[in-house]
Order: sequence, then C-alpha cells, then structure tokens
Amino acid sequence: TAGITQAPTSQILAAGRSMTLRCTQDMRHNAMYWYRQDLGLGLRLIHYSNTAGTTGKGEVPDGYSVSRANTDDFPLTLASAVPSQTSVYFCASSEGQGQNTEAFFGQGTRLTVV
Amino acid sequence: QKEVEQNSGPLSVPEGAIASLNCTYSDRVSQSFFWYRQYSGKSPELIMSIYSNGDKEDGRFTAQLNKASQYVSLLIRDSQPSDSATYLCAVRLRGYQKVTFGTGTKLQVIP
Repeated sequence: TAGITQAPTSQILAAGRSMTLRCTQDMRHNAMYWYRQDLGLGLRLIHYSNTAGTTGKGEVPDGYSVSRANTDDFPLTLASAVPSQTSVYFCASSEGQGQNTEAFFGQGTRLTVV
Repeated sequence: QKEVEQNSGPLSVPEGAIASLNCTYSDRVSQSFFWYRQYSGKSPELIMSIYSNGDKEDGRFTAQLNKASQYVSLLIRDSQPSDSATYLCAVRLRGYQKVTFGTGTKLQVIP
C-alpha cells in the first residue's frame, strides 16, 4: 500500500531558486497538511487543506504556497528559497471526519538551501 | 505558553521497565489526543489515539487522558530496545482538523 508519497526524498537548492515539493495520497483522505521539522522546534504546520479546493495557513506559512486542485495531490512551493527553509518537510493526511482525524505521514523530504 | 509541551529528555529506562511519557496542553477545548513514535531519520507513525478521560490500552502501550488537569501520558510496559525513539504528543482542538504537535520526548531503552 502506498499511502502518502513525497518527492523528492532529498534536495540541495540554491538560495533564490524556486522548488515544488510533491505529495500524493491514495487513501482518499479529505484533509492534507504540510509540516516542517527542525531540531528543538518539533513539527510545525506550514499550510493545510481541509478538502479539495480549499487551503489555509498554519503556524509558519511565510515563504510557502500550496494548492489543492484535487483530493490526492497537495504540492508545496517555495517561490524563492532562503537558508532558513533548510528543514525536513513532511506531508500528512487525515480522514478529516469526526474524531478520527489522526494524521498519517509521508516519508519526508530533506531540503538543504545553500 | 506552548500549546503542547513535552519534556525533551532523554528518558532512559532499563529493558523490561515501564517507560512513562507525559504531555500537557494549554487549550481546554482540545478534543483528540495522539501519540506518535518517530525513529531517527524516519517519519512519525501513530501509536495511540485517545478521546475520553481515562485509560486506553493497546498491547504494551497505555494512553491516559485527564482533561481536568490537561495532561495526556503514554506508558510503555516491558520496554524493549526497539522502543528507543522520539515520542510525539499531538492535540486537535474541537472544531478544527489541524493537529498541533509537541517537540517530542526522546526515549532510550538500555539493554
């Protein structure tokens, strides 16, 4: 079972360049999320989408944008990367109905901005 | 005050002992509570979810929730070296879908 697939698994990016991190889920979950994880700061929510066609800002949205054209895909775009965006990025999804909103995570993308 | 707080550890326990991991949260309208395990270099994986006051057991794991005191804990019985990981507490507010995570507690089980 695929679950959630992220691509690429790692990337080195020059500062100022743009990049899109891809995320695809095959569980037909309504809600999807992008988190970044940094040492000592834990998982912080960047953007989320409660359902296809809608998005919202999380805790640390600046410098990032997302779109949700369909249920399965939730790409994260860095328009002009900066070194502070060096992090591990996790995409997650949840059913989004009732109490059962536990999130399931992709394998992560390790991004280094130099 | 952080929304979800955990002691970063490391918490060291001998093999076979009970490991007790604690988490406090600030928002009283929090509704759903989750424990995730994350091995180094891997993604978080769900261990337990709990929604009502009291205990919930699943194998060697027991989650405990006390909404009046705003804490949730995870007990791991008969700890094994393979349990060595970082444990993340997560909370969802009533009426919201997004989940807020603590910074995690690193557990080391000593053989």
